[in-house]
Amino acid sequence: DTAVSQTPKYLVTQMGNDKSIKCEQNLGHDTMYWYKQDSKKFLKIMFSYNNKELIINETVPNRFSPKSPDKAHLNLHINSLELGDSAVYFCACGQIPYEQYFGPGTRLTVT
Amino acid sequence: AQSVTQPDIHITVSEGASLELRCNYSYGATPYLFWYVQSPGQGLQLLLKYFSGDTLVQGIKGFEAEFKRSQSSFNLRKPSVHWSDAAEYFCAVGGSSNTGKLIFGQGTTLQVKP
Repeated sequence: DTAVSQTPKYLVTQMGNDKSIKCEQNLGHDTMYWYKQDSKKFLKIMFSYNNKELIINETVPNRFSPKSPDKAHLNLHINSLELGDSAVYFCACGQIPYEQYFGPGTRLTVT
Repeated sequence: AQSVTQPDIHITVSEGASLELRCNYSYGATPYLFWYVQSPGQGLQLLLKYFSGDTLVQGIKGFEAEFKRSQSSFNLRKPSVHWSDAAEYFCAVGGSSNTGKLIFGQGTTLQVKP
């Protein structure tokens, strides 16, 4: 059983489209995160939910909206996609303040 | 400001040689420190972690790291590198009891020569 899974693994779409990435964890952890990894492999936190409550909301365009329907799921919806949104998006989970477990990533390419 | 610096962007070592990857951090509170490894096209895998206690921590795949508070460092070491260790290595600092936010370094790319 995969601890943290993301779908899709690859996403190719055109500018202006709206897309969603889904994440699920089966570790029973209270907190889930979204990270963005840019082309230089730099990882930066975007959002975090703890027990379905938003606790981290970094400086991210409001075209990005996270949603946590329950403790095991955290989705990321992106409106009006731009070229600069192309990146790898990682979901992670953990128990604050300890280690986080990462999903396999979703490579988003905006053309 | 909270930050993590990995001074070496790219390191090449011969298979069987020893390895040390450097990590320096700046963190206002007690740091929790982590090393992650990312193989090409994969997610991040936790190698080891330090919360408190013994400053020399052992991890998976034969890696170890030493926490030196006076130097604000948490360097990763391996006595003998295998070709399969070629990957991207990330140091991270956290410890916030409110959010668990991790701050990552820029990463070090390890290349292993046969």
